[in-house]
Amino acid sequence: QKEVEQDPGPLSVPEGAIVSLNCTYSNSAFQYFMWYRQYSRKGPELLMYTYSSGNKEDGRFTAQVDKSSKYISLFIRDSQPSDSATYLCAPGGNTGKLIFGQGTTLQVKP
Amino acid sequence: GAGVSQSPSNKVTEKGKDVELRCDPISGHTALYWYRQRLGQGLEFLIYFQGNSAPDKSGLPSDRFSAERTGESVSTLTIQRTQQEDSAVYLCASSFRGFYEQFFGPGTRLTVL
Repeated sequence: QKEVEQDPGPLSVPEGAIVSLNCTYSNSAFQYFMWYRQYSRKGPELLMYTYSSGNKEDGRFTAQVDKSSKYISLFIRDSQPSDSATYLCAPGGNTGKLIFGQGTTLQVKP
Repeated sequence: GAGVSQSPSNKVTEKGKDVELRCDPISGHTALYWYRQRLGQGLEFLIYFQGNSAPDKSGLPSDRFSAERTGESVSTLTIQRTQQEDSAVYLCASSFRGFYEQFFGPGTRLTVL
């Protein structure tokens, strides 16, 4: 079993839709939960992160962590074509290392 | 300021040859990471340098892979006797004191023929 599981998609939605991206993980020691966005042929860039359980909102993006069920979510409201990218969840513990999911490819159609 | 840079951006080599990939981290970042990303896959951790501590080499897939870092600056990833399965994008990232916000370079796309 992989430490982090993420559905690779692809996920295709119309512009303006609400998008839900999810990951599950197995290591209960994870405390930091990062979401990276990767455009084609580019390096990943940090989108947002949360520490421990709870929600965090940043503009159209909301990150949610449920440590009891080991479930991580990223919601995108009013999705735009510019949101088309691969989204990678990446939890980490106190080792300084992140464990990346496979990434979900999202396409937002105008 | 300048971000993480990697060179070369593309490398095509023949099976059995050695290759060296270079990473220049952001100035002042003490932590440096190497990852491998195969086509359509996530990031596979290779090695992690943190300051003067012994590097975490737990992700290196075989003894053909090695990496060095000079102080808190440049790092090189060396792959000896390359195989076709080594074809991938090799990404480098750096962060400040191992904080989780890792800044990534553009990657080196390695193709082994």
